[in-house]
Amino acid sequence: NAGVTQTPKFQVLKTGQSMTLQCAQDMNHEYMSWYRQDPGMGLRLIHYSVGAGITDQGEVPNGYNVSRSTTEDFPLRLLSAAPSQTSVYFCASSYSGPEGSTNYGYTFGSGTRLTVV
Amino acid sequence: GQNIDQPTEMTATEGAIVQINCTYQTSGFNGLFWYQQHAGEAPTFLSYNVLDGLEEKGRFSSFLSRSKGYSYLLLKELQMKDSASYLCACMDSNYQLIWGAGTKLIIKP
Repeated sequence: NAGVTQTPKFQVLKTGQSMTLQCAQDMNHEYMSWYRQDPGMGLRLIHYSVGAGITDQGEVPNGYNVSRSTTEDFPLRLLSAAPSQTSVYFCASSYSGPEGSTNYGYTFGSGTRLTVV
Repeated sequence: GQNIDQPTEMTATEGAIVQINCTYQTSGFNGLFWYQQHAGEAPTFLSYNVLDGLEEKGRFSSFLSRSKGYSYLLLKELQMKDSASYLCACMDSNYQLIWGAGTKLIIKP
C-alpha cells in the first residue's frame, strides 16, 4: 500500500545510546518532516526537508540529526538518547509542504513509540 | 507568542451532535486544519479552512472566523468510531504549522 512507512514501531533505549528511526514514502512527495508528540502538547516539528539534499531545523531540533539522500527516505538519528526524548515520533510527508497540503493534508506514518531509560 | 487552545476532553452520546472549538493566536494566518487521531494511530486529515464560513463534508463540518481567531469542528450523527482525538493546526505567515494539543472525544452509547 502506498504511504509512509516508519520503523521500528516500539523501541527502548538506555540513556546515551544512539539509534536511527527510519521513514520511507512511495508517493514521490518532496516534503518530509519529523514530529514528536507528547501528552498534553501539540505536535512539535523536529526537522523537515523540502527535497533530496535539503534539510532544515524545526522547533525542537536539539539532540536529533537528519539527512535526505533520496526523495523516498528521511531517517531521524538520535545522537545520545536522553529520558527527555521519550515520546511518540511521527514522520509526515506531503507533495509540497504545508502550503501545498491544503487539499489532502499530510500523510503520517504509524509512529514510533520510544522510551529512554 | 503563538498559541492554539482546544478543550482537553469532551463526551457525547452516540447519534448526537458535538462541536469542538479551537481558538488561535498566530503570527499571521494562512489557514486552519483539522485532523483526526485514533488512539495509538497516526493523525489523518479532515479539513482545511482559509476563508470565513462553514465547509461541510458529510457528517463533518468545519467553521472559521478569522476576525475572532476561532474555528470549530462539528460532528453530526455521532458513531462509536468517532471516538478519537481531534487536532487543530494553524498555518502561520511563514507557512509553518502550529498544532493544538488535541481534544479527546469520548462517545457513549
